[in-house]
Amino acid sequence: DVKVTQSSRYLVKRTGEKVFLECVQDMDHENMFWYRQDPGLGLRLIYFSYDVKMKEKGDIPEGYSVSREKKERFSLILESASTNQTSMYLCASSHRGQVNTEAFFGQGTRLTVV
Amino acid sequence: AQKITQTQPGMFVQEKEAVTLDCTYDTSDPSYGLFWYKQPSSGEMIFLIYQGSYDQQNATEGRYSLNFQKARKSANLVISASQLGDSAMYFCAMREWGNTPLVFGKGTRLSVIA
Repeated sequence: DVKVTQSSRYLVKRTGEKVFLECVQDMDHENMFWYRQDPGLGLRLIYFSYDVKMKEKGDIPEGYSVSREKKERFSLILESASTNQTSMYLCASSHRGQVNTEAFFGQGTRLTVV
Repeated sequence: AQKITQTQPGMFVQEKEAVTLDCTYDTSDPSYGLFWYKQPSSGEMIFLIYQGSYDQQNATEGRYSLNFQKARKSANLVISASQLGDSAMYFCAMREWGNTPLVFGKGTRLSVIA
């Protein structure tokens, strides 16, 4: 079974903490993505990476950074967590490719910042 | 400008009935792909169906079909013979030409009533 695995299903962090969300895929995909999901707003792209050490900003990168040191791993970093970053975070991966390339998702991390 | 519009925040359907979830999109690329994903309460994103902009026929996958009207830029999902397990969030998404990320709509919450 192909898999995208996120390190935590639920996470509670304090305001001001540095938070790491980890994502690993076993499908040898070139592309990896971080989305944020909020009620009424759908999925919004934070960052994506199309190769090791490469990254591109998405629609809402402010307050976030990413790291991709290995092909299979893509980390989302909240440098100083704030309550408005309480959300569901979804990692996805796909092959580099054409318009028909499907993205595979992890199970999501529900982050609460208190 | 919003690229994917889902105008129905919530829908109800009787078990065994058919239901149509609306999706309109905006792009100037002649080559693009349209996707529908299902997200049950457990949170994982499940790929349902894909339609390419050059596909001559509407896509079908089991009880799911996509009513693709290119001139109207709409890609509505039709679920036939609804089941209780179809209750979930449904997201429409688009990928434009090139190695680009999926862009999602805000989603529609479908509730199937016994």
